[in-house]
Amino acid sequence: DVKVTQSSRYLVKRTGEKVFLECVQDMDHENMFWYRQDPGLGLRLIYFSYDVKMKEKGDIPEGYSVSREKKERFSLILESASTNQTSMYLCASRVIAGNPYEQYFGPGTRLTVT
Amino acid sequence: DQQVKQNSPSLSVQEGRISILNCDYTNSMFDYFLWYKKYPAEGPTFLISISSIKDKNEDGRFTVFLNKSAKHLSLHIVPSQPGDSAVYFCAVYSNTGNQFYFGTGTSLTVIP
Repeated sequence: DVKVTQSSRYLVKRTGEKVFLECVQDMDHENMFWYRQDPGLGLRLIYFSYDVKMKEKGDIPEGYSVSREKKERFSLILESASTNQTSMYLCASRVIAGNPYEQYFGPGTRLTVT
Repeated sequence: DQQVKQNSPSLSVQEGRISILNCDYTNSMFDYFLWYKKYPAEGPTFLISISSIKDKNEDGRFTVFLNKSAKHLSLHIVPSQPGDSAVYFCAVYSNTGNQFYFGTGTSLTVIP
């Protein structure tokens, strides 16, 4: 079974702090994604990565950056956390071969910025 | 702009009856259409998909219908079971953009 893990289930940070959210997948998937989920807005794509050291902006990249130094790990960085970044963050991965339309999601990190 | 809309935030259905979840999209260039299911405290899991060249795909109790002229997607669950209670997200994918767009979700409750 594909497993996508996220470093924390719950996180509370203060405004202005630098926040790191880590995501690891164990199936050698090329693509990885970071989404945030908010009530009434669904899942919105923040950034995605085709492969190691590659990244592309999604629909809402402002205030975020990402890092992919190893294939299995994709990090989301909030440079200076703000209260409007309080949200559920979901990481996903997918393989190019096989069924490329299926993403595998981690359990999510609920971030609260106070 | 929201590329994918799920206009019903919630739906309640009796066990054994049919559940119909609906989704509308804006862009006729999407290539693939998917449904994901999400339980509380878990990430979404892939449920079923359909290519833009088809109008129906069936997998057990789950059937997805695609009406391209209306830009409308629906998921039918027959018969509905209490374990189907979850939030359902529809999603669309474009080969050219290599990006998925998700709807806002519909919370399904199946009443025993």
